[in-house]
Amino acid sequence: QVQLVESGGGVVQPGMSLRLSCAASGFIFRTFGMHWVRQAPGKGLEWVAFISYDGTKKYFGDSVKGRFTISRDNSKNTIDLQMNSLRAEDTAVYYCAKSGRSTSSPYLDSWGQGILVTVSS
Amino acid sequence: SYELSQPPSVSVSPGQTARITCSGDKWGDKYASWYQQRPGQSPVLVIYQDSRRPSGIPERFSGSNSGNTATLTISGTQAIDEADYYCQAGDSSTVVFGGGTKLTVL
Repeated sequence: QVQLVESGGGVVQPGMSLRLSCAASGFIFRTFGMHWVRQAPGKGLEWVAFISYDGTKKYFGDSVKGRFTISRDNSKNTIDLQMNSLRAEDTAVYYCAKSGRSTSSPYLDSWGQGILVTVSS
Repeated sequence: SYELSQPPSVSVSPGQTARITCSGDKWGDKYASWYQQRPGQSPVLVIYQDSRRPSGIPERFSGSNSGNTATLTISGTQAIDEADYYCQAGDSSTVVFGGGTKLTVL
């Protein structure tokens, strides 16, 4: 079965950087796009970023564009989210999620357990 | 970008039918997906491509999409269905979530 395990979360000061990782197993990783989605405490889901199966296409939500980058290593079955210039409003649980087969109408068919990022001085 | 609007809350009695709507002015040919999130848990996909159900999701969950509104229907609602539900749409370069609906089974 699909397993997605996030790591790298923690407490960081405003303006600093943090790198999240997601280790995937249970499916042919190199053939699926992957997403990051976050959820601020008590709030709804917010899409953060997407990377295509081969890493050539990368897209970001407006609130993180220019500050976050996404990458993947298909030899290690991992994706990373590099978060720079962090702000208090980036405080959230960050989920790694596997994309379904459709790229034109995306859906997220498996989710990790999430990892908490707290941005605070 | 576009926005998806959901009612903040819906209440239903056990055994009755719950309907959660998701409105967007640019649905067009976009498909709707739906996610269930129980307290303290990760979201789970319950409907994709408007009406398709992933394996393991009970048949009481169904979906439809017409005009500017997508609808998640839960027939014979059970106590375990009490959760937050999010609709989602997207295209090749973006994903959008609705604000979420808290389903209460009372």
